[in-house]
Amino acid sequence: QKEVEQNSGPLSVPEGAIASLNCTYSDRGSQSFFWYRQYSGKSPELIMSIYSNGDKEDGRFTAQLNKASQYVSLLIRDSQPSDSATYLCAVNIRTGGFKTIFGAGTRLFVKA
Amino acid sequence: GAVVSQHPSRVICKSGTSVKIECRSLDFQATTMFWYRQFPKQSLMLMATSNEGSKATYEQGVEKDKFLINHASLTLSTLTVTSAHPEDSSFYICSARDTGLGTETQYFGPGTRLLVL
Repeated sequence: QKEVEQNSGPLSVPEGAIASLNCTYSDRGSQSFFWYRQYSGKSPELIMSIYSNGDKEDGRFTAQLNKASQYVSLLIRDSQPSDSATYLCAVNIRTGGFKTIFGAGTRLFVKA
Repeated sequence: GAVVSQHPSRVICKSGTSVKIECRSLDFQATTMFWYRQFPKQSLMLMATSNEGSKATYEQGVEKDKFLINHASLTLSTLTVTSAHPEDSSFYICSARDTGLGTETQYFGPGTRLLVL
């Protein structure tokens, strides 16, 4: 089982709709979770971080965390064509020190 | 968010030469930096963890003698690709961990695109 799993997509939504991106992780001890956005040919950009169960909202983005289910999601409201990118889920795991494990990413297309 | 820079942004070199890539944290001190490689349409692959003042920790399958990492200060880590070959052509991205707020968040540099002819 991969440590961080995401559906590779592509996920296609119409402009203005809600895009829902999902991620599961295997390490029950993980405490820190992140969503990054990566445009083609660019490096990842941090969108959201979440550490506690529940929802965290920032503008059009809402991260949701359920540690019992080992599940973290990202909702993008009022999706725009400029949101079209690959979204990477990342989880910090403890291995003596700590390491960030990235999912393979979900490609999102927002159709105008 | 925190700012991480990389230099150069793009480099083309001949096979057999060495290439050095610099990664700097501009507004925070980073005891730990990370080096990733990403091939087209593939996910990020962690190559190594760079620790200030000590040896880097390499991921399985990454040759430490080929990818030399130096983290001499709290704001600078360098990756040297020695005797580069065409198969080393890739997008190299560094990140730095900002623990100032206790959040262990990683911020990425803009990446370096390496093309080995």
